[in-house]
Amino acid sequence: GAVVSQHPSRVICKSGTSVKIECRSLDFQATTMFWYRQFPKKSLMLMATSNEGSKATYEQGVEKDKFLINHASLTLSTLTVTSAHPEDSSFYICSARDQAAYGYTFGSGTRLTVV
Amino acid sequence: DAKTTQPPSMDCAEGRAANLPCNHSTISGNEYVYWYRQIHSQGPQYIIHGLKNNETNEMASLIITEDRKSSTLILPHATLRDTAVYYCIVAYQKVTFGTGTKLQVIP
Repeated sequence: GAVVSQHPSRVICKSGTSVKIECRSLDFQATTMFWYRQFPKKSLMLMATSNEGSKATYEQGVEKDKFLINHASLTLSTLTVTSAHPEDSSFYICSARDQAAYGYTFGSGTRLTVV
Repeated sequence: DAKTTQPPSMDCAEGRAANLPCNHSTISGNEYVYWYRQIHSQGPQYIIHGLKNNETNEMASLIITEDRKSSTLILPHATLRDTAVYYCIVAYQKVTFGTGTKLQVIP
């Protein structure tokens, strides 16, 4: 089946630095990928829709300058958390749409801790 | 805003069938019904999806009412490893999550 690889699985960074998270579709091409954020014991919150070759579409309330999304190829989307602060600590999850299967496959998530 | 309504929690005895309900009364004609589950600190795992017909795979069965306003996910023989949060989602182009149902399988 479709597989989405997300790296790193865990990252700790200092306040003020930037962190990049990668999301790759391994065995299918994904023109559209999605980025989510999840707080403890809460549901996933959609942050943005990443479209290959064009600008990402951000959900209301999500700072586009804080969360930079790049989708330069059909198999890779990246999320960069810029000038990270402790309140950015969270579980970030990506998803890719497999057009052939009409399904959405999720990555295993990235636990970001900002200290 | 979430388009689905699910009970916050359910218990099921190991070996018995788990029936998880979901209401999606505002579903559009081109939206599919998807079910995913999430085990703590992992990404959501795909279970099954359907448009209007009932569906079955190796993991579960999906029963969609004729008016498509509700559905039920059936895990035929629940095991302890099925303990997770189950999300019912209606989607066409992007997936937004509701609060899900926390299923606890009891020995």
